[in-house]
Amino acid sequence: SQTIHQWPATLVQPVGSPLSLECTVEGTSNPNLYWYRQAAGRGLQLLFYSVGIGQISSEVPQNLSASRPQDRQFILSSKKLLLSDSGFYLCAWRFGLAGGEQYFGPGTRLTVT
Amino acid sequence: TQLLEQSPQFLSIQEGENLTVYCNSSSVFSSLQWYRQEPGEGPVLLVTVVTGGEVKKLKRLTFQFGDARKDSSLHITAAQPGDTGLYLCAGARQGGSEKLVFGKGTKLTVNP
Repeated sequence: SQTIHQWPATLVQPVGSPLSLECTVEGTSNPNLYWYRQAAGRGLQLLFYSVGIGQISSEVPQNLSASRPQDRQFILSSKKLLLSDSGFYLCAWRFGLAGGEQYFGPGTRLTVT
Repeated sequence: TQLLEQSPQFLSIQEGENLTVYCNSSSVFSSLQWYRQEPGEGPVLLVTVVTGGEVKKLKRLTFQFGDARKDSSLHITAAQPGDTGLYLCAGARQGGSEKLVFGKGTKLTVNP
C-alpha cells in the first residue's frame, strides 16, 4: 500500500528565515506530486505540482519554490519567509494518469513570527 | 474564479439529524471526489464518482453525481459527532488536466 510522509509536523520560523518542507511517498512509482496551502481550515490553494523528476509547474507567483530531486520526494522551499507564508501546507500524490483522486499527507503547520 | 461552489459554508446540527451539502459548477467534470478533513490533519478521500447520475453509499453517507456531471451532493443520515469535519469536493476537469479543482468546503459540526 502507498503512504505519504511530511515533515516537520509543525514549524515556527521568524520572518526572513529560510524554509524547507519535505514530502516523500512510499509504495508507488512515478507519482504526480502536489503542494497545497490551506488557510484558516478552508479551501486548498495549489502552489506547485510535478509530473516527474525535475519537472515543476508553479501555480501562483510568490517567494516559494519547489523541487523534485527524486521520484518520490518533493520539497517546498523559501529563501526568506514572509508573515503571509503562515498556513497549513499539504503534500499530495496521485497515480500518474490523467484525472483521478489525490491522496494527502498529514500536513505541516507553519507559523511565521 | 471559483469553479466549484459548495453550500452551505457552515452547518451546525444536532446528533441524529439528516443533512445535505452541495457542490455545484457550470463546468463539466470527468470525475468528482469528496474528502473529509479533521482539524490539523490532511483531507481523507471518501469517494470518487465518475458517471453522470451515479449514486454511491458509504454507510450513512450517500453521494450523488449530477446527470450532466456538473454538480454533486453528499447526504448524511442520522449524523453523529464523529461526522464533524470539513467536507471538500474536488473535480477533475474534462480533457485530462493534471490538477483538481477544489471547492472551499462545508464545515460541519454535529452536536451531541
